[in-house]
Parts: sequence; structure tokens; C-alpha cells
Amino acid sequence: DSGVTQTPKHLITATGQRVTLRCSPRSGDLSVYWYQQSLDQGLQFLIHYYNGEERAKGNILERFSAQQFPDLHSELNLSSLELGDSALYFCASSAGQTNTEAFFGQGTRLTVV
Amino acid sequence: AQTVTQSQPEMSVQEAETVTLSCTYDTSESNYYLFWYKQPPSRQMILVIRQEAYKQQNATENRFSVNFQKAAKSFSLKISDSQLGDTAMYFCAFMKPNSGYALNFGKGTSLLVTP
Repeated sequence: DSGVTQTPKHLITATGQRVTLRCSPRSGDLSVYWYQQSLDQGLQFLIHYYNGEERAKGNILERFSAQQFPDLHSELNLSSLELGDSALYFCASSAGQTNTEAFFGQGTRLTVV
Repeated sequence: AQTVTQSQPEMSVQEAETVTLSCTYDTSESNYYLFWYKQPPSRQMILVIRQEAYKQQNATENRFSVNFQKAAKSFSLKISDSQLGDTAMYFCAFMKPNSGYALNFGKGTSLLVTP
């Protein structure tokens, strides 16, 4: 167990809908990263938050947004969902802004039908 | 942009044998980090080993070791005394400090350890 908790584990929704994925980092970790794993694109970095502030953006679509709350949990919001958004979404956390060791959650499997 | 290439989509090895997984990367940076992550069927991403580019000594973690060739931009993973529990997808990843410490992953190598 990495100490990073993601909910829900599985999510099935229809095209055009909006979903929210939740991540609770390890106790004391201030950084949260979101990654998407799909068959087409592989593992891709989406976004990094540190202590509530956005620090870096990767290949995140405009239909996607994220935030990190004062209690350090993070949410990834996916809207106007398309079939191609079906993927495994990982959250990872690390202690600080510059730590190189990130601990991954078990992921949320999103299926868009 | 940095690219990470894993040229072996699938590999297999017998239990107790040694196997080497290849990874090459492309960067103009001098300060960066390299990683191998393991993803077993449970889909959990597990850090196997980490290498700082400024360190010449190859990293080792128990049965796992790397061959880091900075000039050749090569970072291979050697698994010794392979065990059935090593069956997993293995991802090579690159990280540079000025990109928010985000991981840039290769496509992965599926390793099957057979009895």
C-alpha cells in the first residue's frame, strides 16, 4: 500500500458527461501529480500541484481541470467526456516540490460508453 | 521534448535466470533523473530503481541493477535471479527538474517470468 488513495476505483459513464476523480496523498505529502494511462497514448503526465498551487502542466485537455484543496487532497474534473477519454487515471504524491520519488495510487479506471 | 524509447514490447525469462530490459532517451539536459517502474497485473505503479544523471555509479536495489550510459543515453535494467512475482509491465521514465518533476514514460516492456 503506497498510502495514496484514489476514489472511485472504477467509473462508467456516458459520452458528454462530467466526472470527478479524487485523490488523497500520503500523509504529509504536499505535491500531487495526475497521470493518464491509455492504450493509445501510454502513460502521460497531466498536471502537478504543490500545496494548492499549480506547478506544471502536461498534455491535459482543456476539457479537463484539477485543483488541490487546503487539506491537500486533489480532484481531477473531466467534462464533455468522449470515448477516447477511457483510461486509467493515476494520482501520485511526493513530499515536496522537488522530491523525485513519487508514490502512486491504484488508479481510477474510467470507461466512457 | 524528451522521448523515452523501450524497444522491446515483450520479453520472457525463465525463473532464476537474468534478463535485461532496454531503454534509451533523448535529451539536451545535463541534470535529470531516470527511473524504472513496475506495473504488475494489480496495475499499481511501483518504483523499482532510480538513477541521478550526475552520479556515475550505477544504481542497485537487491536483484535489480541498471547500466547507465550517459553519453549513449542508455538506461537498461537488469533483473537477476528472476522470480515469478517479477512478471509485470516495466516502464522506463525520465524526469527533469525544470519540468515540474513530472515523469515522462516510455511505452513499456511486458516481462513474463516462466517456471
